[in-house]
Amino acid sequence: GAGVSQSPRYKVAKRGQDVALRCDPISGHVSLFWYQQALGQGPEFLTYFQNEAQLDKSGLPSDRFFAERPEGSVSTLKIQRTQQEDSAVYLCASSLYRGRETQYFGPGTRLLVL
Amino acid sequence: EDQVTQSPEALRLQEGESSSLNCSYTVSGLRGLFWYRQDPGKGPEFLFTLYSAGEEKEKERLKATLTKKESFLHITAPKPEDSATYLCAVQPPNYGGATNKLIFGTGTLLAVQP
Repeated sequence: GAGVSQSPRYKVAKRGQDVALRCDPISGHVSLFWYQQALGQGPEFLTYFQNEAQLDKSGLPSDRFFAERPEGSVSTLKIQRTQQEDSAVYLCASSLYRGRETQYFGPGTRLLVL
Repeated sequence: EDQVTQSPEALRLQEGESSSLNCSYTVSGLRGLFWYRQDPGKGPEFLFTLYSAGEEKEKERLKATLTKKESFLHITAPKPEDSATYLCAVQPPNYGGATNKLIFGTGTLLAVQP
């Protein structure tokens, strides 16, 4: 595809449910990032993959958050036992290599936890 | 601590009224500074990357500049379609390749009235 795609675009979950958010990066992009964006705020870094290796997970807010990219392309961000404070837009971005190249963002998944 | 501050938080302009948005940062060993545009309900859209003090880049009515402490996004003769949130992000040192994350400011919400 031409850009980064994410699914679902919207997700409503009851508190305590598990959710899985999918990201399809630009074909051939080595690096993949997840960010969390609260209303009225800038995106905040969650985690970074280089191919299938998760090199930085310092931004994950708790052990309820888990991300994987098993074959070095599609990535899934999983949130277990969702809480109301998890409500946010989750953005995925990819870049061609592993340096200071531009990160291209997907449209995001808007998660609402009731 | 690495930090990005954007000002003003919101800006209202008349069509054709030029202005500038500011992004100040505190990060040692800046690898790059990025400007993105974000429309409501969408992911950030890449505008510019600046790597060193004194660098300038232009695209249509937008011009980005960089000094050692801040960046400016100049908007010349804006049109209503320039209305969006403009995000600034910095890429700190990657500590041996372990991370390539971006640190974002909270953005400037620009409204251009016809």
